[in-house]
Amino acid sequence: DVVLTQTPPTLSATIGQSVSISCRSSQSLLHSNGNTYLNWLLQRPGQPPQLLIYLVSRLESGVPNRFSGSGSGTDFTLKISGVEAEDLGVYYCVQSTHAPFTFGSGTKLEIK
Amino acid sequence: EVQLVESGGVLVQPGRSMKLSCAASGFTFSSFPMAWVRQAPTKGLEWVATISTSGGSTYYRDSVKGRFTISRDNAKSTLYLQMDSLRSEDTATYYCTTLLQWWGQGVMVTVSS
Repeated sequence: DVVLTQTPPTLSATIGQSVSISCRSSQSLLHSNGNTYLNWLLQRPGQPPQLLIYLVSRLESGVPNRFSGSGSGTDFTLKISGVEAEDLGVYYCVQSTHAPFTFGSGTKLEIK
Repeated sequence: EVQLVESGGVLVQPGRSMKLSCAASGFTFSSFPMAWVRQAPTKGLEWVATISTSGGSTYYRDSVKGRFTISRDNAKSTLYLQMDSLRSEDTATYYCTTLLQWWGQGVMVTVSS
């Protein structure tokens, strides 16, 4: 199975600060069809996960544009440009290029 | 509005069976492959099983193969997960999802004697 390594495990930020989360894959996530199925989810406390970004950098409908994704191959980054209070929770990267889908271990974002 | 509503979670003894349901509305259910994802208490997310739009193709994580069965009824817009020979390590909140885009609120399954 593909292993996704997320860093850092926890992140503490002030309102307005920009932060980044890294997700590294044990193998390339480039599919034979040319797409890279690397996605980012946010799970707020007590809530189900929600999709933020799919196909590395495409923003899901309704997601604020302070969220952005980048990367290729095995190395990916989620950036939040100007953290807001509602952004607290656990962020997961998840790949759907290779079966089975696999998730990173999560990055907990705390607001100072 | 898209809704995925899981039901069927409860406390069950090891070795027993349980069936989860996920009622979908607000989108064309039959056009979307579906999956179950679980989350053990205080742990991360873990994919369990996926089913194609027609139900003709299914995929399972190794630890549930032969014990869990994913199915769907497109006429009823409902996804199912039949769980047999349950183990304590199956204790988790189970979410149904349209392969990540939309998620249900989850249903808790506790396997304990």
